[in-house]
Amino acid sequence: AQTIHQWPVAEIKAVGSPLSLGCTIKGKSSPNLYWYWQATGGTLQQLFYSITVGQVESVVQLNLSASRPKDDQFILSTEKLLLSHSGFYLCAWSLWGAGQNTLYFGAGTRLSVL
Amino acid sequence: QQQVRQSPQSLTVWEGETAILNCSYENSAFDYFPWYQQFPGEGPALLISILSVSNKKEDGRFTIFFNKREKKLSLHIADSQPGDSATYFCAARETGGNNKLTFGQGTVLSVIP
Repeated sequence: AQTIHQWPVAEIKAVGSPLSLGCTIKGKSSPNLYWYWQATGGTLQQLFYSITVGQVESVVQLNLSASRPKDDQFILSTEKLLLSHSGFYLCAWSLWGAGQNTLYFGAGTRLSVL
Repeated sequence: QQQVRQSPQSLTVWEGETAILNCSYENSAFDYFPWYQQFPGEGPALLISILSVSNKKEDGRFTIFFNKREKKLSLHIADSQPGDSATYFCAARETGGNNKLTFGQGTVLSVIP
């Protein structure tokens, strides 16, 4: 069975400090990986996606970056947090190809920037 | 520009009633419409989905009605249960994209026992 694990569960950080969030997918080979951001009580916005190791596409500019160092790992980071970065960060995976439509989300990381 | 719109923003129904959640979209290239259910503090989970070639999809108490001409769809939850209380997101995927889903703003459903 496939599992998706996000870490940490929650973070409280100061404005201007660095951030690194992680996501690991087990049980699936070469999945598509995604980072989504959700404001409190808001909709989900795709930030990045990756179809293979070392390749990441940015969907929206939010002073964040993402990397895929391994097939099963996706990292979201920034060197300098802004207040606007607060929210719920969700990692997701899907399979590639016709009919492979479903996005599977992790449990998320709650980020509070103070 | 909000490409996927949901209404109402919040909905309260009694246990046993049918909850109707609405969704509309603008992009004719959208071909796949999943509905996600999200409980507080958790990631969204796929509930039910429909392709644009169909006009109805049923799965137990959950039914999607899809009207391609009007670019509208709705999620019907029959015999609503308190455990159905959650936020429901309508999403849409564009043909040939990166599997990117555009989400609506969500409908918060409360089912009163």
